[in-house]
Amino acid sequence: AQTVTQSQPEMSVQEAETVTLSCTYDTSESDYYLFWYKQPPSRQMILVIRQEAYKQQNATENRFSVNFQKAAKSFSLKISDSQLGDAAMYFCASPQGAQKLVFGQGTRLTINP
Amino acid sequence: GAGVSQSPRYKVAKRGQDVALRCDPISGHVSLFWYQQALGQGPEFLTYFQNEAQLDKSGLPSDRFFAERPEGSVSTLKIQRTQQEDSAVYLCASSFVTGAEGYTFGSGTRLTVV
Repeated sequence: AQTVTQSQPEMSVQEAETVTLSCTYDTSESDYYLFWYKQPPSRQMILVIRQEAYKQQNATENRFSVNFQKAAKSFSLKISDSQLGDAAMYFCASPQGAQKLVFGQGTRLTINP
Repeated sequence: GAGVSQSPRYKVAKRGQDVALRCDPISGHVSLFWYQQALGQGPEFLTYFQNEAQLDKSGLPSDRFFAERPEGSVSTLKIQRTQQEDSAVYLCASSFVTGAEGYTFGSGTRLTVV
């Protein structure tokens, strides 16, 4: 079975500083996308960033960027200039088959003012 | 619609009761997914539709769980004879055919079985 592992159940960071959330995955797909989702207390899963596996360049969306190491099957999320609104659960997800996603257990991120 | 809409937002059911959870996806989204999220866990796949066809139901935990999408838009997840272990948040997501742009999720239905 394909798995996604997030080894950090909880992380905390000072406001305005940088934090990195780790994720490793296992997939048999040759061409795929990887995703980071944010889940605030409202429960809605919000797409933060996605990475196309065939692209060498790491994806960036404003303060969010990834470090994608395809050979190591590692997909970490870096949040720069952390803001109070970044506090949430963060889930890494990779595909299983053509459509469905497998999610990690999540990392709870706390921002300290 | 502008987003994926799920109702009800909260549902309390007595053990043994049947429940129906509704998902209204984004207009034009072909693919629709149901996930179950237990407290403190990541979402787990239940089932997937492409239009009205249920292409994958491998994640449904028992034959008490049934999903349908008869006209290829709104979907209903039905749970018969609810049990306490069914207590969870049920998330619906939709996407264009490939899902390459990522899936848009609703806010989920929190089901509590007492």
